[in-house]
Amino acid sequence: EDQVTQSPEALRLQEGESSSLNCSYTVSGLRGLFWYRQDPGKGPEFLFTLYSAGEEKEKERLKATLTKKESFLHITAPKPEDSATYLCAVQANSGGSNYKLTFGKGTLLTVNP
Amino acid sequence: DAGVTQSPTHLIKTRGQQVTLRCSPKSGHDTVSWYQQALGQGPQFIFQYYEEEERQRGNFPDRFSGHQFPNYSSELNVNALLLGDSALYLCASSSLYRDQPQHFGDGTRLSIL
Repeated sequence: EDQVTQSPEALRLQEGESSSLNCSYTVSGLRGLFWYRQDPGKGPEFLFTLYSAGEEKEKERLKATLTKKESFLHITAPKPEDSATYLCAVQANSGGSNYKLTFGKGTLLTVNP
Repeated sequence: DAGVTQSPTHLIKTRGQQVTLRCSPKSGHDTVSWYQQALGQGPQFIFQYYEEEERQRGNFPDRFSGHQFPNYSSELNVNALLLGDSALYLCASSSLYRDQPQHFGDGTRLSIL
């Protein structure tokens, strides 16, 4: 069974204080790992897809990296508007017949001014 | 370019009733997935529809059923509502042909009294 564990559950940073969020996963063949951002009362907003170990993607202050067992979301010099819950999800490559995303519980990030 | 739209935004029902939630996918998308998100948890996969057929189903009872229409919009039906069905119900759309990531709507908040 596919599993995703995110840590920490909550993270509080000062504006400008860089840090990283962790996503550990077990899956029977990885088709893709996804990062989403979710604001209160809203649906998840797509950020990145990573497909293979060693891959990196960047968007503004965010950078996502992938190894064979985990992914990191690095936040450089965060601003208060980066405050949100960050969700990690995996899609298994089960012979092309698996389409579901398996999510972790998320990391609640709060950035104080 | 309209994203994924869901209706209604909020709904209050009592135990034993049934409910229908609606979703219109993002323009150009042909695949619709439904997820249930309990408070403080990550989304859990209910099922996915493609070409008006249920293509994959998660670990949800038969009380949860769905439908996809020729214009790719979709409905989620839940019968015999239980208190534990209270959650945010999210619809996600994607394009199988383009192998795009799933894009989410803002969900329907369902409360069971």
